Amino acid sequence: AQSVSQHNHHVILSEAASLELGCNYSYGGTVNLFWYVQYPGQHLQLLLKYFSGDPLVKGIKGFEAEFIKSKFSFNLRKPSVQWSDTAEYFCAVRGSGTDKLIFGTGTRLQVFP
Amino acid sequence: NAGVTQTPKFQVLKTGQSMTLQCAQDMNHEYMSWYRQDPGMGLRLIHYSVGAGITDQGEVPNGYNVSRSTTEDFPLRLLSAAPSQTSVYFCASSPEGVKTRQYFGPGTRLLVL
Repeated sequence: AQSVSQHNHHVILSEAASLELGCNYSYGGTVNLFWYVQYPGQHLQLLLKYFSGDPLVKGIKGFEAEFIKSKFSFNLRKPSVQWSDTAEYFCAVRGSGTDKLIFGTGTRLQVFP
Repeated sequence: NAGVTQTPKFQVLKTGQSMTLQCAQDMNHEYMSWYRQDPGMGLRLIHYSVGAGITDQGEVPNGYNVSRSTTEDFPLRLLSAAPSQTSVYFCASSPEGVKTRQYFGPGTRLLVL
């Protein structure tokens, strides 16, 4: 069965700092990978996803993530964060041939002006 | 379109009581799922359905039942509520299973005393 680990539970940054949130997955086959974001008081929404092809994927609001197959990782990055990026970020994985989307435990990001 | 709707928004139950959390979507999505969100544990998949008449278990199905008699509705039943089921419950849907973006509802906050 697939599983996801997010080792950064709480990250605090100042505006304009660079961001990298870790995501590692466990699954023996092909995977689809996702990052979702939950802004305070809002629904979860999709930031970006990887299915195949270019391992560097770009999402909304300047976020990007890189799939490194050898490291089973899909880290989320943003070169310069804004106060409005304050939210909880979830990595998720779907193993090929399954209909289950499994989420990580989430990373709470706080950005201070 | 209303998207994914969930009722009630908040509910308090006593241990042993039963109740049904409602989820409906008006986007004709085939895939629907239920998650619970707990602090430090992220989102955990309870049950999912790939279409009307088809349901399957997720990561934490014990104590919950689901049915999918129509494409639009996917109710989650708590058979005998326990304090461990205190959580925020999210319903999600998507047009093509977990390969595509999941549309999340606003959540139901459940407190079991």
